[in-house]
Amino acid sequence: QVHLQQSGPGLVKPSQTLSLTCAISGDSVSSNNGAWNWIRQSPSRGLEWLGRTYYRSKWYNDYAVSVKSRITINPDTSKNQLSLQLTSVTPEDTAVYYCAREAARHYYYYGLDVWGQGTTVTVSS
Amino acid sequence: EIVLTQSPGTLSLSPGETATLSCRASQSFGANYLAWYQQKAGQAPRLLIYGASSRATGIPDRFSGSGSGTDFTLTISRLEPEDFAVYYCQQYGSSPRAFGQGTKVEIK
Repeated sequence: QVHLQQSGPGLVKPSQTLSLTCAISGDSVSSNNGAWNWIRQSPSRGLEWLGRTYYRSKWYNDYAVSVKSRITINPDTSKNQLSLQLTSVTPEDTAVYYCAREAARHYYYYGLDVWGQGTTVTVSS
Repeated sequence: EIVLTQSPGTLSLSPGETATLSCRASQSFGANYLAWYQQKAGQAPRLLIYGASSRATGIPDRFSGSGSGTDFTLTISRLEPEDFAVYYCQQYGSSPRAFGQGTKVEIK
């Protein structure tokens, strides 16, 4: 059974960098199937897809246009986890952040079938 | 960038009734890769439907999805008390991925 365990600070100061980690058990971040995503949710923006990383003989990333200049999603194969970094945060980045697996088999995709528990991040001085 | 519009915003129904939720995309996307999620307060979303019409593992058959192109529907037959929640659609056929704004199904 696949499990995603998120960790990271719940409070970040404006202009600083938000950093979260998602530890994967029961699957591999380097799997040639599927992709590893970060999503956030706030009352003002609803569910917002931020980006993903995936491995298909080499690493790829996709990012949302709204955060493209500030976001980095990195896999850590030695620890079987992925990370999220969001730079220059403002109070608008206050949200619950989730990691999630986009499952795939034989190049057919199944949606976001496993989610982390969510991390509430507040941007405030 | 694809925009998903869900309607209605809120649906007020009684247990045993049928809920019909709509999700319309601003343009079509690959392979009918449209998913529906259920979210209850304080919980992460849960995958209900993938590929527009296939139920995820463990999802009861009162949940069904249909549609293609730009118009999709989630139908919940015989509403159970645990079905009252917020439902989101998501397209994952093109990047960037996108979610709809959600439909709340509340008890009338």
